[in-house]
Amino acid sequence: GAGVSQSPSNKVTEKGKDVELRCDPISGHTALYWYRQSLGQGLEFLIYFQGNSAPDKSGLPSDRFSAERTGGSVSTLTIQRTQQEDSAVYLCASSQSVGAGNTEAFFGQGTRLTVV
Amino acid sequence: SQQGEEDPQALSIQEGENATMNCSYKTSINNLQWYRQNSGRGLVHLILIRSNEREKHSGRLRVTLDTSKKSSSLLITASRAADTASYFCATDAWGNKLVFGAGTILRVKS
Repeated sequence: GAGVSQSPSNKVTEKGKDVELRCDPISGHTALYWYRQSLGQGLEFLIYFQGNSAPDKSGLPSDRFSAERTGGSVSTLTIQRTQQEDSAVYLCASSQSVGAGNTEAFFGQGTRLTVV
Repeated sequence: SQQGEEDPQALSIQEGENATMNCSYKTSINNLQWYRQNSGRGLVHLILIRSNEREKHSGRLRVTLDTSKKSSSLLITASRAADTASYFCATDAWGNKLVFGAGTILRVKS
């Protein structure tokens, strides 16, 4: 596609349920990032992928959070047993490569997750 | 922890004035980037400055980088109401992830 696509754009879920957030990066982009942004706050790094591997998972808040990427393309962020503090906007971005030195990140419009 | 930290946290100016935002970071970087965010959704890339560059221009934007002080500034000249947004710096630290600061909220009053 022309840009990074995230789905769903909004998700309301009950506490304790699992949710899956999807990101379709720009075709050919090898690097893919997940960030979380709480209301009025900055971007909190969660994880990034280089191809299908995740060199840095240090930002995942707990073992309830996991992410995978298949075929060097689509990525899914899964949150198990959601808690109210998980409510935030989850942003995905892709770039041609991590560490290429001169590439910008292209962001999707995010998924607004509300846990009730 | 945040690599980049912006100041001020919030800035309110009149249309036509210049707006200056600053970013400080902690480690050696490959490049530094500035992004803009409207309405709390996706970010849009504005400009990238490499570690061996000191200044870069793009339209009404001017970015400076001082690697000795580990700081950067973003200047928006002749601001417009449409420039109202949050602005973030992000550092690319030599093959590592992009790390964003907390952002500066800019409000341009018409």
